[in-house]
Parts: sequence; structure tokens; C-alpha cells
Amino acid sequence: EAEVAQSPRYKITEKSQAVAFWCDPISGHATLYWYRQILGQGPELLVQFQDESVVDDSQLPKDRFSAERLKGVDSTLKIQPAELGDSAMYLCASRDPIGTSGSGELFFGEGSRLTVL
Amino acid sequence: AQSVTQLGSHVSVSEGALVLLRCNYSSSVPPYLFWYVQYPNQGLQLLLKYTSAATLVKGINGFEAEFKKSETSFHLTKPSAHMSDAAEYFCAVSDFRNTPLVFGKGTRLSVIA
Repeated sequence: EAEVAQSPRYKITEKSQAVAFWCDPISGHATLYWYRQILGQGPELLVQFQDESVVDDSQLPKDRFSAERLKGVDSTLKIQPAELGDSAMYLCASRDPIGTSGSGELFFGEGSRLTVL
Repeated sequence: AQSVTQLGSHVSVSEGALVLLRCNYSSSVPPYLFWYVQYPNQGLQLLLKYTSAATLVKGINGFEAEFKKSETSFHLTKPSAHMSDAAEYFCAVSDFRNTPLVFGKGTRLSVIA
């Protein structure tokens, strides 16, 4: 069964350091999302890609966060410098194409848990 | 703007008892509604979805949910809880026009033996 791949699963870093997360969506899924999930809360959208283009990054803290999907396939989310409040689970999801052949549902990866010390 | 409200951050039931997790939505268009389950340190897994077909939706692991437009609700139920159902459950809404899902804050389900 096709899955969304994410790495690393766990990352511990000190504040002010740079961190990066990688996501490889399900093949054929043009829409990719990065969500942040703080412990005990629901996921909140950071950025949405359609192919290689950013569709919505209104909730991305652009002073320290960046995201790219250069070839419209895999994606990288970077934080520089990391702050204590960035400790969270970072979830990547890709969307089944909408239409007769697709359900439009989101498929999530296992997530990358970040701890900033 | 779309939003969902999950009533009760923590629900505890006995094994074999009915599970009822509540979700109310707000949407300016006919919504598409989802329930996801999350086990500790894992991603989210789809339980079921409502996409304007039948109002009673059956999902995996014996869960089902009923879309009630008059009540703007999409509550999740399961007739008999199992220990393996203990997890975090999230309700989410989308207008399905390639817009992101908006999630509720989640309900943690505990199952007592």
C-alpha cells in the first residue's frame, strides 16, 4: 500500500539551531500539506503545495520557517533558528485527487517529532 | 470560514460500552467531513468520511457517523468499545475544493477494562 514517507521520525535540537524535515508523498498526489501539531491539540496547517507551487502559506512563520517542493514531488520544511515553542509533531499529508477516480481524502505520514531544548 | 468543535477533550468508557464522540461543524458551503484516529507518536489514519452521499457513513474498525445538517453535527459512534480503540480522535471539515482540512482539537478516548 502506498504511503507518505517522512524523515526523521524524531529530532532533538537546541534552540537557535537549524532543522529540516523531509516528505515524500504518495505517487500521483499533486497536493501536499505540512501541518504542525502541538501536543494535545489538533493539526494546524502551515503550508499547502499544488505541484511545485505554494498555494497557501499564510500560517507559516516566514521569519524562521521555509518550505519547498522544487520538482513537485518531495518536499522539505526547514526551521532556522529553532525556538522552544517549535517543539511539536510536524505532519506531512498528500491528497488523493478530487474527481471520479479520487476520494479527496488526506493521507498522512507518520510525522516528525521535534524537541527543542 | 470553516471550523469544527469537538465536545469533550477526554472521554472514558468501559470495554463493551457505547462510544460517542461529538463533533459540530461550521461551514458556508455543503461540507465534507472526516474522522481521523491517531495513536501515540503516529500520523493520522482515516476512519470515515462524508462526501454528500449517504448521511450514515460506515468506517473502519466498526465506527460509524451520521451527518445531521439540521444540527450541524457529525458524531462518531461505535456500539461496543474495545481496548484497542484507545486513541486520539479528530474531526475535520473541508469544502473539498482542494482546500485544506480544518481539524478540531481532538478527543482522547480511554477504554477501561
